[in-house]
Amino acid sequence: IAGITQAPTSQILAAGRRMTLRCTQDMRHNAMYWYRQDLGLGLRLIHYSNTAGTTGKGEVPDGYSVSRANTDDFPLTLASAVPSQTSVYFCASSDSLAGYNEQFFGPGTRLTVL
Amino acid sequence: GQNIDQPTEMTATEGAIVQINCTYQTSGFNGLFWYQQHAGEAPTFLSYNVLDGLEEKGRFSSFLSWSKGYSYLLLKELQMKDSASYLCAVRDSNYQLIWGAGTKLIIKP
Repeated sequence: IAGITQAPTSQILAAGRRMTLRCTQDMRHNAMYWYRQDLGLGLRLIHYSNTAGTTGKGEVPDGYSVSRANTDDFPLTLASAVPSQTSVYFCASSDSLAGYNEQFFGPGTRLTVL
Repeated sequence: GQNIDQPTEMTATEGAIVQINCTYQTSGFNGLFWYQQHAGEAPTFLSYNVLDGLEEKGRFSSFLSWSKGYSYLLLKELQMKDSASYLCAVRDSNYQLIWGAGTKLIIKP
């Protein structure tokens, strides 16, 4: 693995179903993030993690949960999907939250909720 | 509220120069980032400004005026591969990135 991987690449999901989007990085970055990107809107932060074992809420956390059991993995779970959660989801990581620390992005998961 | 404004779309000619502006109003300021995003792909980092002035990196330069809440990305010697969306993002007082909606740049031969 080089960088950040996400799975699945795309998914069509029935409303009400539970879904976990996976994200793994191999850069030993401390901070990880989940964003959603919708047409005409900027990237919006869903949840983030400063370091393994800690998580925080971003701008649009409702309906989503995350966990950070180790440095490498940061899964995003939709407990009961709704059509408004149709979006492209990007996972990102950086060495830390502050300073000259660019965020590196995974390839994204395109999720459609019907 | 927090707000990042960028033009929705710009068109330029191959070989020319284009300037993409970004204005922002955020709760705190801990740096400004520019990212490039090709259609269907992930954003990739272009530049970072935290002090006023111009940062130059090859054909791309980024300028910041913190007091005016203003930045621009300057692209020189445009190539067809520069056709992409350019995203402006400001890191706020909580060290979270606030993103603009992006500027779609169309390069014509």
